[in-house]
Amino acid sequence: DGGITQSPKYLFRKEGQNVTLSCEQNLNHDAMYWYRQDPGQGLRLIYYSQIVNDFQKGDIAEGYSVSREKKESFPLTVTSAQKNPTAFYLCASSIVGVRGAKNIQYFGAGTRLSVL
Amino acid sequence: GNSVTQMEGPVTLSEEAFLTINCTYTATGYPSLFWYVQYPGEGLQLLLKATKADDKGSNKGFEATYRKETTSFHLEKGSVQVSDSAVYFCALPYSSASKIIFGSGTRLSIRP
Repeated sequence: DGGITQSPKYLFRKEGQNVTLSCEQNLNHDAMYWYRQDPGQGLRLIYYSQIVNDFQKGDIAEGYSVSREKKESFPLTVTSAQKNPTAFYLCASSIVGVRGAKNIQYFGAGTRLSVL
Repeated sequence: GNSVTQMEGPVTLSEEAFLTINCTYTATGYPSLFWYVQYPGEGLQLLLKATKADDKGSNKGFEATYRKETTSFHLEKGSVQVSDSAVYFCALPYSSASKIIFGSGTRLSIRP
C-alpha cells in the first residue's frame, strides 16, 4: 500500500538533546512537509521541500533542521535550540505542478514528542 | 495573502443531528478549497474538495459548496454519527507554491 510512514510514534527528548523524526513516503511525490500541532490548535508549517536537495523554511523553522537527500525521505531534527518541543509532529507529501491536485496533501500518522 | 477562518469549537451534538461548521476565506483569485479531517491520534486526511466557484464537494455524507459571493466553504452533514467525532480543518493554498493554509480546526463530538 502506498502511503507515508512516520516513526517513532512516541519520542522522548532529554534536555540538551537533538532528536530526529523519520518520514518516508512511497507515493512518488516530489513535495514533502513538516507541521507542528499543539493541543487544541491548528497546524503550523516548519519546513517544506519541493525537490530533492532543496528545502525552505516555513513559519516556525527556528530550532529545527531538515534534509532531503532522497525523494522518499524527509527527516526532521528537533535541536536543543527548540526550547518548547513538546507537540504532535505531522509529515505530509504532495504532487508538484498539477493545478488543484498539487494542493492535496497526504499525511502520516504523526509522532508525539515529549520532553523528559 | 490567502487566509482562512473557521468556526471555533468544540461542537457537541447528539447522534442524527444536523451539522454545520463555518469556514470563510480570503484569497487572490479562485483557489481550490478543502476540508480535512483528523480522527483521534491520527494524521489528517482529505475529506472533500472543490476546485471552482459553485462546485460542491461531497464525501461520507458531508458536503461543502464553494461560494465566491460570500467567500465561504461551510461543511454540512444532515445526520451525524458517533464515528464522525474528530477535528475538522478548512484549508486553501498559499498564494504560491504547493503549500496549504489550514484553519485552526473545529473539534466535533457526537453523543450517542
